[in-house]
Amino acid sequence: EAGVTQFPSHSVIEKGQTVTLRCDPISGHDNLYWYRRVMGKEIKFLLHFVKESKQDESGMPNNRFLAERTGGTYSTLKVQPAELEDSGVYFCASRPTREPRGTDTQYFGPGTRLTVL
Amino acid sequence: DQQVKQNSPSLSVQEGRISILNCDYTNSMFDYFLWYKKYPAEGPTFLISISSIKDKNEDGRFTVFLNKSAKHLSLHIVPSQPGDSAVYFCAASGYLYNSGGSNYKLTFGKGTLLTVNP
Repeated sequence: EAGVTQFPSHSVIEKGQTVTLRCDPISGHDNLYWYRRVMGKEIKFLLHFVKESKQDESGMPNNRFLAERTGGTYSTLKVQPAELEDSGVYFCASRPTREPRGTDTQYFGPGTRLTVL
Repeated sequence: DQQVKQNSPSLSVQEGRISILNCDYTNSMFDYFLWYKKYPAEGPTFLISISSIKDKNEDGRFTVFLNKSAKHLSLHIVPSQPGDSAVYFCAASGYLYNSGGSNYKLTFGKGTLLTVNP
């Protein structure tokens, strides 16, 4: 079974530009999460999709960030316009819904390292 | 306000000895705890988890202990191997309601860098 994949692995852009990150979850996983780790700090929750619906976007930093999950499959996270403080590693994770409560294991992708200059 | 704390940024042990990584949490709504291992340039890899209805879970060389009254959990690795050298993240989850419904989002600690010396 293929794991969570993310594209690109690295992105270097200038302040004010737009970047779109992509995540392909494990096939059949209805739940998709985005997280971000800023240098040296903890991994922080950004938002959660159940299929194509946003369940919780309370972690999104501001309205420069837009996440979509059309068709309930892959997801994109767009940053427009990018600022210096957006630099970090963006992780995507997925989790199946059929697991009973008590097995909340999320499976992470390798991350996209975003550098805003 | 950090709800999950890993107070040791790093830990160094000798190969074959026990590694003990600690984690504290403050939110009593957390009822599921996980440990992830992360190598450089890779995503976190799930290692082991424990539900709040248990106080111990074991998987091979890895054992997680949960002390709910102290809001503390620990990961024991015995025996430690050089390949275990990585950053270990403690994470917690709970049936936390928000305006959109239930959510099992993970709250992470800052991680502990474990180095196992040959």
